[in-house]
Amino acid sequence: QKEVEQNSGPLSVPEGAIASLNCTYSDRGSQSFFWYRQYSGKSPELIMFIYSNGDKEDGRFTAQLNKASQYVSLLIRDSQPSDSATYLCALHRGNQFYFGTGTSLTVIP
Amino acid sequence: GAGVSQTPSNKVTEKGKYVELRCDPISGHTALYWYRQSLGQGPEFLIYFQGTGAADDSGLPNDRFFAVRPEGSVSTLKIQRTERGDSAVYLCASSPRGESNYGYTFGSGTRLTVV
Repeated sequence: QKEVEQNSGPLSVPEGAIASLNCTYSDRGSQSFFWYRQYSGKSPELIMFIYSNGDKEDGRFTAQLNKASQYVSLLIRDSQPSDSATYLCALHRGNQFYFGTGTSLTVIP
Repeated sequence: GAGVSQTPSNKVTEKGKYVELRCDPISGHTALYWYRQSLGQGPEFLIYFQGTGAADDSGLPNDRFFAVRPEGSVSTLKIQRTERGDSAVYLCASSPRGESNYGYTFGSGTRLTVV
């Protein structure tokens, strides 16, 4: 079983809508979770991280963590065409990050 | 420098050849990480350096892969007898000591193609 599972998509939303990206993880002891954005041909860039159950908001982005359900999500409000990218969920344990395969998001103008 | 620098940005090599990939971390960062990202996959951990020593090399796929960081700054990932399955983007990242749990910044990567 993979450490982190993501629906690869693709996910398409109209401009201005809310995009919802989801991720599950297998190790119940995992503590810290990250979302990275990766534009085509570029390296991943960190969007935000979350450690505690509940929601964490940063601008148009909200990360949600439910440790009981082993579920992490990222909501993007007022989606823009520039948000079109692959979104990688990752958990941090020890010295390394374990990444999902990513979800491709397209925001349609 | 301002960010993590990786060279070359692209490398095409023939099967069986030896390649070296270079990573120049953010100045002052003692921790350095190598990851590999195959097409359609997320990055996969290869090796982690703290200073000059490899603190965790559990992600290296086999003994054809080796990495060094002799002076605690620049690191070189070395791949012997390359195979077509080694084709991927090799990513490097660095962080201040003990702060990787806040995420880190990747370099722009080296795209390796083995033909």
